[in-house]
Parts: sequence; structure tokens; C-alpha cells
Amino acid sequence: AQSVSQHNHHVILSEAASLELGCNYSYGGTVNLFWYVQYPGQHLQLLLKYFSGDPLVKGIKGFEAEFIKSKFSFNLRKPSVQWSDTAEYFCAVEYGNKLVFGAGTILRVKS
Amino acid sequence: GAVVSQHPSWVICKSGTSVKIECRSLDFQATTMFWYRQFPKQSLMLMATSNEGSKATYEQGVEKDKFLINHASLTLSTLTVTSAHPEDSSFYICSARVARSEAFFGQGTRLTVV
Repeated sequence: AQSVSQHNHHVILSEAASLELGCNYSYGGTVNLFWYVQYPGQHLQLLLKYFSGDPLVKGIKGFEAEFIKSKFSFNLRKPSVQWSDTAEYFCAVEYGNKLVFGAGTILRVKS
Repeated sequence: GAVVSQHPSWVICKSGTSVKIECRSLDFQATTMFWYRQFPKQSLMLMATSNEGSKATYEQGVEKDKFLINHASLTLSTLTVTSAHPEDSSFYICSARVARSEAFFGQGTRLTVV
């Protein structure tokens, strides 16, 4: 079965530190890739998505992600995090019509 | 962005009763709606996919007779948990999408069965 792995369940960073959250998936065919964020008490919101084209995609709030097909990876990055980035981050991969989520990474940014 | 409204946000019910959760796309017509279940500290688990006017497609291990999904219109899907038991207590989330676009999520429903 298709699966999505997120490497860290909890990450704690100080403000201005750089962030990289890992995401790997298991399927070898064509996929669409997403990162969603869930701020405390709020809905899941889309940060960025990759369907095709430039493998480096930029999203909202200074986030970006790079699709590396050979590594089945879609890691999320941000050069300098802010306290307001404290949230849970989910990587998701679309196989056919299904969206499969990773376990999520809880990011806490210390001010 | 598009808005998906889920109702109720939380519900407590007695064991053996049924509970209906509604998911509405408020400002767009959703060709497909998805229902997820999220256990504490775990990921969203896809339960079923529903397209308007057709029967839902359930994931392996999800009981279709227990989790009834109706997708009567392009803006409304409902999930009914029938004969609920404490092990059905969970966080249920719906999402809606138009073909080949991003999915938009409801705020989730916390179900507690006592």
C-alpha cells in the first residue's frame, strides 16, 4: 500500500532558525504532492503543492519544498522560522484520486 | 480560499445511538468529498471517498454499514456513525475538492461516545 513518512514527530526551534521537515513516499508512479499546516484550533490549510514542472515550489508564508523524484522525497523548508509558525505540518501525497497523509510533525518555535 | 463547513464541531452521544455529521462546501461545488478519521497523535486516515450521486468508495477495513456516507448534492456530504460505540470516539474530518485542484478541509468533528 502507498505510504507517506514524516521523519520527525516533534521539532523545537528558536526563532530565526532554519527549518527542514522530511517527507518520503512509497509509490513509484506519478504523484501530486502537498504540504498542509494546521494551526492550533484551526482547519488544515494548504501551504504549497507540486503537480509538475519546477521541482522547487514556493508556498505561502516563506515556505518552500523540493521534489526529488529519485529519492521519493518532498521536504519542506523555511530559512528563518517565526513564533507564529508553531503548528502541525502534514505532508500528503495524491495517488489517483486519494490523498494519503503522513503522521504529521509538530513544530514549536520558541520566542 | 474555498470554505468547507463541518457540523457539528463536537458531539457526545450514548452508546448504541447514531450520529450524523454534515460537510458542506460553501462557495464551490465539490466533485469529490473525502472523510478522514484522526486518532490522537496520529495521521489522518482516509475512510472513504464519495462522488456526488454515486456510492462512496470505502477504504479497506472501514465498515460501510457502520459509517454511512451520503453525497446527495455537489455541496453536501454526510457521514452517519450508526450504533456508535466508545471505540468510535475520534476526530472526523471531511474535505472537498474540485477535480485536480487542492482539497479544502472542514474544521473537524470531535465525537465522544459514552
